[in-house]
Amino acid sequence: SQELEQSPQSLIVQEGKNLTINCTSSKTLYGLYWYKQKYGEGLIFLMMLQKGGEEKSHEKITAKLDEKKQQSSLHITASQPSHAGIYLCGADPWAGGTSYGKLTFGQGTILTVHP
Amino acid sequence: DAEITQSPRHKITETGRQVTLACHQTWNHNNMFWYRQDLGHGLRLIHYSYGVQDTNKGEVSDGYSVSRSNTEDLPLTLESAASSQTSVYFCASARGADTEAFFGQGTRLTVV
Repeated sequence: SQELEQSPQSLIVQEGKNLTINCTSSKTLYGLYWYKQKYGEGLIFLMMLQKGGEEKSHEKITAKLDEKKQQSSLHITASQPSHAGIYLCGADPWAGGTSYGKLTFGQGTILTVHP
Repeated sequence: DAEITQSPRHKITETGRQVTLACHQTWNHNNMFWYRQDLGHGLRLIHYSYGVQDTNKGEVSDGYSVSRSNTEDLPLTLESAASSQTSVYFCASARGADTEAFFGQGTRLTVV
């Protein structure tokens, strides 16, 4: 079965600093999803990556999938307190997206941003 | 706006009781999922369904069941609640292949 490992497990930064969260898979990634979760709330979809080398950005958040499709990174530029929360990567375990939304998740990275 | 709602948001129940958690989505998605979230384990899949009358076991299905009688709802039943089932439960739905899953707000269940 596929396993996802996120690093770091937790991160504390000062507002305005850049940061990176990594997600490493034990197998080739065919679909990689990034979600954000605020404490006590559900998961909010951020981005989906499918192709090796693919990079997507939304506001100050950029996600990349490496060429070998076994690692993804989430980079936040000029962090703000609103970025605080738990970031989770989720992977589609089968090629071609045939799991139809069923995902394996990493353990999550807890981000704290101090004003 | 289309949405996915879970109820109740919080529940305390006693060991041995049967408990049902509701999940309702208005996107008309065929695919629905139940996950549990625990510290140190992340999100783990309990059961999932790809359409009416279709149900499948996930990674941690023991002690849980689901039924899918219509497109909108996928209730999760704990047959005989155990303390190990104290957790936060999330329902999700997805349109199909290569699409993101939308998550509900979660149900925090405590079994005492």
